[in-house]
Amino acid sequence: GAVVSQHPSRVICKSGTSVKIECRSLDFQATTMFWYRQFPKKSLMLMATSNEGSKATYEQGVEKDKFLINHASLTLSTLTVTSAHPEDSSFYICSAPPGDGYTFGSGTRLTVV
Amino acid sequence: AQSVTQPDIHITVSEGASLELRCNYSYGATPYLFWYVQSPGQGLQLLLKYFSGDTLVQGIKGFEAEFKRSQSSFNLRKPSVHWSDAAEYFCAVGGSITGGGNKLTFGTGTQLKVEL
Repeated sequence: GAVVSQHPSRVICKSGTSVKIECRSLDFQATTMFWYRQFPKKSLMLMATSNEGSKATYEQGVEKDKFLINHASLTLSTLTVTSAHPEDSSFYICSAPPGDGYTFGSGTRLTVV
Repeated sequence: AQSVTQPDIHITVSEGASLELRCNYSYGATPYLFWYVQSPGQGLQLLLKYFSGDTLVQGIKGFEAEFKRSQSSFNLRKPSVHWSDAAEYFCAVGGSITGGGNKLTFGTGTQLKVEL
């Protein structure tokens, strides 16, 4: 079946640094990638939608300059958390629709210290 | 606006017992409905989905769900729960997935605990 590979699975970074999270569609072309954030014991909140070759669409309340999204090819979308702060610590998950549903990456646990 | 309600935050069942997880949705058009399962620290795995047709859908791991339009519900069921089913379960609703997909709205999840 369709697979989305997400890396890294865990990352610890210092406050003020930037972290890049990658999501690759392995056996299908993803013209769209959804980026979610999940707080502990909470549901998934859509942050933004990336589209190959165009600017990402951000949900209300999500800082575009902090969460940079790039969809450079039909198989790769990246989320960069810039100038990370402890409050950015969370579980980030990407998702792409391969045609008959939505396939999710395995998630990235970001801890900012 | 679309929304999903999962009224049960936690559910505990004995192994071998039947299970029903509730999901109610609000959506302005024909909904696409999903159930996902998440183990701690992991991504989401699709259990089953409903797009159209037969309102009783079968999924993986012995799960099934029934779409009831009149009740705006899509409850997940399993006749006999296994200890390995302990996890977080999310119901989600979205629109048409053609043309690049449509965003999903998730419920707050139900934490399932299985007693041996």
